[in-house]
Amino acid sequence: AQTVTQSQPEMSVQEAETVTLSCTYDTSESDYYLFWYKQPPSRQMILVIRQEAYKQQNATENRFSVNFQKAAKSFSLKISDSQLGDAAMYFCAYSRIQGAQKLVFGQGTRLTINP
Amino acid sequence: NAGVTQTPKFQVLKTGQSMTLQCAQDMNHEYMSWYRQDPGMGLRLIHYSVGAGITDQGEVPNGYNVSRSTTEDFPLRLLSAAPSQTSVYFCASSPTVWERGYTFGSGTRLTVV
Repeated sequence: AQTVTQSQPEMSVQEAETVTLSCTYDTSESDYYLFWYKQPPSRQMILVIRQEAYKQQNATENRFSVNFQKAAKSFSLKISDSQLGDAAMYFCAYSRIQGAQKLVFGQGTRLTINP
Repeated sequence: NAGVTQTPKFQVLKTGQSMTLQCAQDMNHEYMSWYRQDPGMGLRLIHYSVGAGITDQGEVPNGYNVSRSTTEDFPLRLLSAAPSQTSVYFCASSPTVWERGYTFGSGTRLTVV
């Protein structure tokens, strides 16, 4: 079974600085998707960024980028120029490509932004 | 607004009571699923559906039942509520173009006393 591990329960960063959230996963599949979701205090789950395993290039979305290391099964999220609105729980998630599209989530990392 | 609508947002049940959490989406998505969120455990899959009339179990299905009679609706039934089912429940939907990922509802906070 696939597993996703986020080893940092909490992180904090100064406003305007850069922070990296870690995620590792375990799978025997060669093709799959990886996601980062943001959950602010409103409880809404918001997709931040996605990565297809067969793509070598790291995904980027504005201030958010990933460092995808397929051999190491690592998928970290970098947030540049941190803003107060980035404060939230962040979840890393994995999904197979074939078969039913089920997400396997990590435990989450709570990110605090210090003004 | 297009999206996933969950009702109710909050609910308190007594042990042994049954109830149905409602989920509806208006995006014509084929895939729908239910997750529960517990502190320190992320979100775990309860049940999912790949289309009307087709459902299957996820990681933690015990004590829950689902049905999918229409594309739009995917209700989650708690058969006999237990304190261990105290959690936040999320419904999510996705088109068959999976790379777009799931769209989540706003969640239901359920407390069983």
